[in-house]
Amino acid sequence: QVTLRESGPALVKPTQTLTLTCTFSGFSLSTSGMCVSWIRQPPGRALEWLALIDWEDDKHYSTSLKTRLTISKDTSKNQVVLTMTNMDPVDTATYYCARIKGLAAGGTDAFDIWGQGTMVSVSS
Amino acid sequence: SYELTQPPSVSVSPGQTARITCSGYALPNQYAYWYQQKPGQAPVLVIYKDTERPSGIPERFSGSNSGTTVTLTISGVQAEDEADYYCQSADSSGTPNWVFGGGTKLTVL
Repeated sequence: QVTLRESGPALVKPTQTLTLTCTFSGFSLSTSGMCVSWIRQPPGRALEWLALIDWEDDKHYSTSLKTRLTISKDTSKNQVVLTMTNMDPVDTATYYCARIKGLAAGGTDAFDIWGQGTMVSVSS
Repeated sequence: SYELTQPPSVSVSPGQTARITCSGYALPNQYAYWYQQKPGQAPVLVIYKDTERPSGIPERFSGSNSGTTVTLTISGVQAEDEADYYCQSADSSGTPNWVFGGGTKLTVL
């Protein structure tokens, strides 16, 4: 069974750096075709893709946020970490991590399994 | 930046067919995916590669592609289908960049 779980602070202050951890099970991020991504959703608003890391450690970022984001993985711990610098109240959102299993690996190439999300509020 | 456009809301009566559209200039060249999100829950994948249905998703969910517009069709809508639906795709810039539509609220009357 594939599961993902996000963890991190519920509240950060403006200008601080946010660090979120996605801990997953049921697959390995060293397996060809596997990727983990971060996606966020402000209250009452749409989903927004943030970043992705793949099995080869290639990293991709949202064009609008790439200067503030860093994604990394620890394959031995089955974890993916996202850092976002210079947090602002507009960054208040539920942050999700989700898996992509590529078509060549017998997957869907979609965000097929999601974590439950973690709500992060930015306020002084 | 690339955008996918969805209608904010669609309403249907139980048993009717709901159609939710998603428009984007890169859709002729990029697959589309659809997610269902109920209040307080994470999204669930309901359609991938324009028309494919993951295992466990009811047959009443289907997808189609007609160029720059893709459509999610829910036939014989049930009360439990009331949710927000998001399309997702990528632009054609060559640099991986995943994009979500603005979401459509499906109301079952």
